[in-house]
Amino acid sequence: GAVVSQHPSRVICKSGTSVKIECRSLDFQATTMFWYRQFPKQSLMLMATSNEGSKATYEQGVEKDKFLINHASLTLSTLTVTSAHPEDSSFYICSAGQANTGELFFGEGSRLTVL
Amino acid sequence: KQEVTQIPAALSVPEGENLVLNCSFTDSAIYNLQWFRQDPGKGLTSLLLIQSSQREQTSGRLNASLDKSSGRSTLYIAASQPGDSATYLCAVRNSGYSTLTFGKGTMLLVSP
Repeated sequence: GAVVSQHPSRVICKSGTSVKIECRSLDFQATTMFWYRQFPKQSLMLMATSNEGSKATYEQGVEKDKFLINHASLTLSTLTVTSAHPEDSSFYICSAGQANTGELFFGEGSRLTVL
Repeated sequence: KQEVTQIPAALSVPEGENLVLNCSFTDSAIYNLQWFRQDPGKGLTSLLLIQSSQREQTSGRLNASLDKSSGRSTLYIAASQPGDSATYLCAVRNSGYSTLTFGKGTMLLVSP
C-alpha cells in the first residue's frame, strides 16, 4: 500500500517553544492531507484539513494560530505547534488519500511531550 | 452528522478462535469504509477498504463485510493469533473530499 511518513516520531520540548511536524506522502501526490490528535485510549480527533496551495480548514474548537498548517507541495504538509504548553502534549497523526481509490493512509504518528 | 459505533469496546480471546468485530454508522450515504489496526503508541495500518458499491473484502485471515442499507460492517478474523492483539478501528468516509469518521475502536487481546 501507499506510504505516508511522519517526522519526528517523538519530540520533547520546553514550554513556550514551537515544534514542527512533517507529513509526507512518499509514493503518491496528495492535494488534501488531514491532521489528527489522539489522547490516550481515545480515538482520533480531526484537527484540520490541509489543502495544497491554500489555507487549511480547521475543525471547531481548534485554534488556527496555535496549530499552523502549511501544505506547500503535493507531497508535504507541516503542522507547527506554536508556543507549546504541557496541555498540547499528545499524539499527532496525519493522513493522505489516494485519489483513485479514496483510501486514506496514515503516518506513524508523532508523540509530542511539552515539559 | 455521521456517527460510528464499535462493539465490543474490548475483547479477550484464546489463540485460535474466530472472532467478529462490529461497526455501525448512522448515515448510510457513505463513500467508503476502512478498517484499521493500531498498535499502542503507533500510527494506523489500513487493513481493508470497502467501497460503497462493494459487499465485502478479504485479505488473508481477515474478511470485512458491508451492509450499507442497515449501516453495518463486520470484521471477521479467522484463527486468531497473539500477534493480532491491537486496537481495531472502523472508519467511514462520506465523500471523496472528506476525511474519515472513526469509531472508538475495539481493543483485542489474543492470549497464547
